[in-house]
Order: sequence, then structure tokens, then C-alpha cells
Amino acid sequence: DTGVSQNPRHKITKRGQNVTFRCDPISEHNRLYWYRQTLGQGPEFLTYFQNEAQLEKSRLLSDRFSAERPKGSFSTLEIQRTEQGDSAMYLCASSSSEDNEQFFGPGTRLTVL
Amino acid sequence: QKEVEQNSGPLSVPEGAIASLNCTYSDRGSQSFFWYRQYSGKSPELIMSIYSNGDKEDGRFTAQLNKASQYVSLLIRDSQPSDSATYLCAVIPSGGYQKVTFGTGTKLQVIP
Repeated sequence: DTGVSQNPRHKITKRGQNVTFRCDPISEHNRLYWYRQTLGQGPEFLTYFQNEAQLEKSRLLSDRFSAERPKGSFSTLEIQRTEQGDSAMYLCASSSSEDNEQFFGPGTRLTVL
Repeated sequence: QKEVEQNSGPLSVPEGAIASLNCTYSDRGSQSFFWYRQYSGKSPELIMSIYSNGDKEDGRFTAQLNKASQYVSLLIRDSQPSDSATYLCAVIPSGGYQKVTFGTGTKLQVIP
């Protein structure tokens, strides 16, 4: 296992469509995080899982966003009824419970037309 | 007041010089601090973590933490053109379920 993987790497969709992204964390990591990053900004926290439990969700996250980690391994992030403002890089990171160091995947770049 | 503040730069240094990147944070109870490097179009890459006051060295990189002043810095010695990137300061605030708060980053340019 060489690191966090994300799929797809790029997604172009039309406004109003639903999209789903997948993240596979480093295998021994039990913590998984989703962030969103727009140009010129640092990553912005979206949500956090410890094993299969979603422990925190940003107040900035609208009801159109949902994330799951059903078996405590991979995670999916779904955006319903996409808007142009959702265009961003969606980043996944994972960490162990031994320390707080988070390692990022390559990201999924979403473009909403 | 932003939770994590960085000068956006760009910070330009000549090759071989020391680059000094600075960051301040607002939550006095924060305990965990990180520096990430991000190349254009790529995801952040962890460079250093620091948890205690003082210096922590790793190769050409030194992280410095001063909790009393709520200040964390990153020094890059013998800067190389390949160090040209945006450097993100990140903090885990108190009581936060490991949620990392990032600054907006400082763009570093190393001039050959």
C-alpha cells in the first residue's frame, strides 16, 4: 500500500447532477478526513471518520453533501444537485490513532458546468 | 481573526539561502502543528509535525514552535529550486476531533 488513493481524479458534470467520489485510505489508518480546496485557499475541513463512525461534520457542509465509510475502510463523498460553487479539489486524508499526522490522496478535481 | 494566518507571499529567496516561513494561530489551546508543501495542481504533502515548544529538525527543514506567542515557523536551509511551492501551516485546535485547520499558504520561489 503506497498511500491514499482517490477516484476519479477528474470529474466534469453539469449543474444539477449528482456525483460520487471514492477514497481508499492507507490500510492501517482508522481515521479518514475529507477536505475541499479552492484556488488560493488552504484545504477546508468537511468531515471526519474514525473507523465507520462519522464523528464531525463541518457546519459549512450543506445537506447536499453526504459521506459514508460503511466498513471502516474506503469512504465515499456524494454531492447531490451540484452547483457551480461546488467546483473545487476534493481531498481525502487518513491518519492512524497513534498520532495526528494526516496524509493526503491526490484529490478529485470537480468542475461543475 | 483567521484561525491560522500566513503571509501569502510570494517569498523569493536565492538558491542556497535560508527560507523562513511564518504562521500564527488564534486558538491558545492548540497542541498539534504541521507544515505541508503543495506543488501547483498537486495535493498537500506532509513535511513536519511539531507538538512541543522549541525546534525540531529534519534534514534541511527546521520547525519552530512558540506556544506563548502562538507562533510556528519553518526554516528551509540550502534552498533549492525544487523547494518552490506553496507551504501550508496547519493546526489542530483544542477540542476538535483531529480536525486540521489550514492557513492559506505562503508561496515560496527559489531563484537559481
